[in-house]
Amino acid sequence: DTGVSQDPRHKITKRGQNVTFRCDPISEHNRLYWYRQTLGQGPEFLTYFQNEAQLEKSRLLSDRFSAERPKGSFSTLEIQRTEQGDSAMYLCASSLGGFGTQYFGPGTRLTVL
Amino acid sequence: QQQVKQSPQSLIVQKGGIPIINCAYENTAFDYFPWYQQFPGKGPALLIAIRPDVSEKKEGRFTISFNKSAKQFSLHIMDSQPGDSATYFCAAGGDSNYQLIWGAGTKLIIKP
Repeated sequence: DTGVSQDPRHKITKRGQNVTFRCDPISEHNRLYWYRQTLGQGPEFLTYFQNEAQLEKSRLLSDRFSAERPKGSFSTLEIQRTEQGDSAMYLCASSLGGFGTQYFGPGTRLTVL
Repeated sequence: QQQVKQSPQSLIVQKGGIPIINCAYENTAFDYFPWYQQFPGKGPALLIAIRPDVSEKKEGRFTISFNKSAKQFSLHIMDSQPGDSATYFCAAGGDSNYQLIWGAGTKLIIKP
């Protein structure tokens, strides 16, 4: 199965620590999206890449959040100085072209103590 | 204007029944309306999607009805099965902005 993969699946950290998540999209997909999902809510868009270019960032993405997609393949999402309010599921999705189907990974569940 | 309102929040239906989940949007620039299914511990998976040039789309047991003038769309699940028990999300987006705006989700339980 060559679907979207995310690592780690779970991360527990203490407030103030930095964390980094990785997403490996479906190999031929040029678009990659990051979302955040809290319990009982739909995913909230954070940012998206077309190839290596970060084309849009939500205002939800504070200065503590940064995302990269070097070489247009895998992507990383880093959260600096984590806060308890950052606790959520972080989802990655990829698609081919504009509104091609977005295929989601299993997510990384972050718990900030 | 960016909101997508989804109802009901939860729904319990007997096996074989037809659950209906409704969504309403405000932004007339939206022209892509997907429905996603999410099981616990998994990412959302696309079920079916519609563009506003048609009023209905069927894929297997899943049907989207779309009412452009009312800015509403709904998901119907025919002959529902316990395996359909999941959380369902509607979403909306426009070609000028590939960001999807999501509803809050409907937790569906199909009783055997």
